[in-house]
Amino acid sequence: KAGVTQTPRYLIKTRGQQVTLSCSPISGHRSVSWYQQTPGQGLQFLFEYFSETQRNKGNFPGRFSGRQFSNSRSEMNVSTLELGDSALYLCASSPAQGRLNTEAFFGQGTRLTVV
Amino acid sequence: AQTVTQSQPEMSVQEAETVTLSCTYDTSESDYYLFWYKQPPSRQMILVIRQEAYKQQNATENRFSVNFQKAAKSFSLKISDSQLGDAAMYFCAYRSVEEYGNKLVFGAGTILRVKS
Repeated sequence: KAGVTQTPRYLIKTRGQQVTLSCSPISGHRSVSWYQQTPGQGLQFLFEYFSETQRNKGNFPGRFSGRQFSNSRSEMNVSTLELGDSALYLCASSPAQGRLNTEAFFGQGTRLTVV
Repeated sequence: AQTVTQSQPEMSVQEAETVTLSCTYDTSESDYYLFWYKQPPSRQMILVIRQEAYKQQNATENRFSVNFQKAAKSFSLKISDSQLGDAAMYFCAYRSVEEYGNKLVFGAGTILRVKS
């Protein structure tokens, strides 16, 4: 079974631009979560989608948005990029929610650098 | 809101020896999961071990075991017979069962160095 696939692996963008990151979950998984990892703030939860609906949202500005498609693939968009958005963005997929879900499987991440 | 604290930024262990990584958490919930994830330089987060809060028995996975103290809100990871491949950043994480969704709350991480 293929793992969680994130594309692209690396991105360099200019301040003020927008960016879209993609995550393809493990086949059959309906939940996709996004995390931002930085040296200063650590791993922070961005949002979660389950069956195309946003179920949970972290404490990030509205410039951060996402969506999930009917095949469970998810995209994350950041508009008006700031230098502080430079980070590793991790995607995690899970088969279910609540007690039924015992594990989140992570992708290798997208390294975003804003210059 | 739940918080997870890892008080050891960095730890070192000699190959073949045992090391314990500490984690404490704060929650008012009674039902939750706790995890230890490993992140090697490749950046891939890998699940090391999982503990369900309602289970008294400490989880074990081969050389990895936990000491789960629910009343003290403590969840430490013991790595026995350390190997060079264990060198990585280790994250302790919390997930609520009572709340809807799969949100993980992570600690700051502990860098584990293994000396040969």
